[in-house]
Amino acid sequence: GQSLEQPSEVTAVEGAIVQINCTYQTSGFYGLSWYQQHDGGAPTFLSYNALDGLEETGRFSSFLSRSDSYGYLLLQELQMKDSASYFCVLTGKSTFGDGTTLTVKP
Amino acid sequence: DTAVSQTPKYLVTQMGNDKSIKCEQNLGHDTMYWYKQDSKKFLKIMFSYNNKELIINETVPNRFSPKSPDKAHLNLHINSLELGDSAVYFCASSQGIHNEQFFGPGTRLTVL
Repeated sequence: GQSLEQPSEVTAVEGAIVQINCTYQTSGFYGLSWYQQHDGGAPTFLSYNALDGLEETGRFSSFLSRSDSYGYLLLQELQMKDSASYFCVLTGKSTFGDGTTLTVKP
Repeated sequence: DTAVSQTPKYLVTQMGNDKSIKCEQNLGHDTMYWYKQDSKKFLKIMFSYNNKELIINETVPNRFSPKSPDKAHLNLHINSLELGDSAVYFCASSQGIHNEQFFGPGTRLTVL
C-alpha cells in the first residue's frame, strides 16, 4: 500500500516563511503533488515534482528527494489568504495525505 | 464556463434511500475521479476512470457504484445510504493519471 505523513497543523505570521514536510511510503512512484484547499472550497493544484529538486511557482516552491521518500512545500511571504489546508499527494495513485492546516496570523 | 460541475450541491436524505450524484467536465480530459472527504477533512480516492475504463477502485462498500456513460461524465450511485456516508463528495478530472487534477465544487451529502 501507500501512505503519506505530514504535520496536522502549522501556524505562522504574515510575511514569514513556512515549510510543510511530507514523507511517504509507496511501491511504484510517479511523483508528489501539492494541493491547497480553503474551508468550504475544493482542492486546487499547487505544484508537482516528478524528479528530485526544487520547483518554484511564485511564492510557492516544492521540493522532492526520492532517495529519502521526502518532499516539502515552501510558502514565502505568507499572506492571510494562505490560511488553508495543504495536501501532499502521491501522483498516479491519487493518494492524499491527511492534510496540514496552515493558520496565518497578523 | 464551469470546468468540472457536480449536481446536486447539497443532498439531504434518509437512511436506506438510494441517491445519485452527477459529474461533468468540459475540459476534454481522459481521466475522472470520485473522492470522499469526511468531517476530519481526510480526502480519500474512491474511484478513477480513464477513457471510460475503471482504473482505481479503492476499498469502498459495493453500495457505491460509479457509472461513466462517456468521457465527460462520471456519476456516482449510492444504494441503501447509511449515516456514515455523510460527507462531501468531490469529482475531479485530469488529462492523465499523472497530471494536475481539477476538482468540482463538491456535493455535501447528509444522511439522516
